[in-house]
Amino acid sequence: AQSVTQPDIHITVSEGASLELRCNYSYGATPYLFWYVQSPGQGLQLLLKYFSGDTLVQGIKGFEAEFKRSQSSFNLRKPSVHWSDAAEYFCAVGGYTGGGNKLTFGTGTQLKVEL
Amino acid sequence: DTAVSQTPKYLVTQMGNDKSIKCEQNLGHDTMYWYKQDSKKFLKIMFSYNNKELIINETVPNRFSPKSPDKAHLNLHINSLELGDSAVYFCASSPRVAGGHEQYFGPGTRLTVT
Repeated sequence: AQSVTQPDIHITVSEGASLELRCNYSYGATPYLFWYVQSPGQGLQLLLKYFSGDTLVQGIKGFEAEFKRSQSSFNLRKPSVHWSDAAEYFCAVGGYTGGGNKLTFGTGTQLKVEL
Repeated sequence: DTAVSQTPKYLVTQMGNDKSIKCEQNLGHDTMYWYKQDSKKFLKIMFSYNNKELIINETVPNRFSPKSPDKAHLNLHINSLELGDSAVYFCASSPRVAGGHEQYFGPGTRLTVT
């Protein structure tokens, strides 16, 4: 069964500082990996995705993530955080599981940005 | 030109009532989903439909009944609401059922059962 672990429940960074959010996955084949962001009271917005190819993927809002198969990780990074980045971030693994295509989400990491 | 829309945005009701949440996507996608987000923000898939056919049912109580009148719509009907049904329900869609395509989410419906 596929699963995702986000070890950090809360992270606080200062505006302008760099950010790395951790994500580890478990999946039997080549995973499809995603990062979504959820602002308070909002739906989920796709930040970036990895299907195959270049292991460093670029997303919206200046985010990037690196797929490391040997570590089963897909960490999200941003070189300089803005106050508007404060939100909940979800890592997800997707794949066809016999009954259909479903996303399995991690428990999320809440990002706070100090001004 | 909202991609995935849900109505209502908020729903407050009493235990034992029956309620419905509607979802529509204008992306031309074949596959639609319902997810439940609990109070701890954990997201879990409930159902998936591909071209009006149910393909995923994640051991959700029978009180929950999805219905897809066409591939652009997926509604969720809940009978005999319980306190534990309080959550945010998200509808999502993706281009096809297989291949790990990204899913596009609606704004959510916050259901509160009192």
